[in-house]
Amino acid sequence: QVQLQESGPGLLKPSQTLSLTCSVSGGSISSGVYYWTWIRQHPGRGLEWIGYIYNSGNTYYNPSLKGRVSMSVDTSMNHFSLKMPSVTAADTAVYFCATDDGESLEHWGQGTLVTVSS
Amino acid sequence: DIQMTQSPSSLSAFVGDRVTITCRASQGISNHLAWFQQRPGKAPKSLIFAASSLQSGVPPKFSGRGSGTEFTLTIISLQPEDFATYYCQQYNSYPYTFGQGTKLEIK
Repeated sequence: QVQLQESGPGLLKPSQTLSLTCSVSGGSISSGVYYWTWIRQHPGRGLEWIGYIYNSGNTYYNPSLKGRVSMSVDTSMNHFSLKMPSVTAADTAVYFCATDDGESLEHWGQGTLVTVSS
Repeated sequence: DIQMTQSPSSLSAFVGDRVTITCRASQGISNHLAWFQQRPGKAPKSLIFAASSLQSGVPPKFSGRGSGTEFTLTIISLQPEDFATYYCQQYNSYPYTFGQGTKLEIK
């Protein structure tokens, strides 16, 4: 059973860079089974799909984020990461990592709240 | 982007009731539709994929139907743990998009 755990700073100032890591256990990030995915949820609101990275390094990002997103994979550490520069209050959200096998977002991390405030 | 619209946005029901939530896509998505349950403070939990396939470990009290642009999630014999927010999600094309959610509350 794959398990995911997000980690990273919970509080950022405007213009700083959001940097989160999702640690994977119970499976290899190199397996090729999953697209490793990030999703966020603004407080009290719905879910927004941010994008994915495959173990080959191929990515797809939500165009709504206007090129502010980058993802990477570290196969040696069995984790994948999300970076978003120049954050604003609008980036305050709970960030989830998840697995996508092409049919379902089956496994999710517990989520980590990132607050952007001066 | 494909817009997903759920109805109703909120729903009250009694323990033991049967409820149905509808999800409509702004364009045809075949059966590339998933349903999630989210309890407060928790991550979404996958219930159904491919419009009607039950995720492993999910009880058959949950069922999904539909294809194209209209989909439903039905929950029978509501129990206290079923009162949560439910989301639909399309994975027919990128970017994946979610419905706005349906909050199911105890009456």
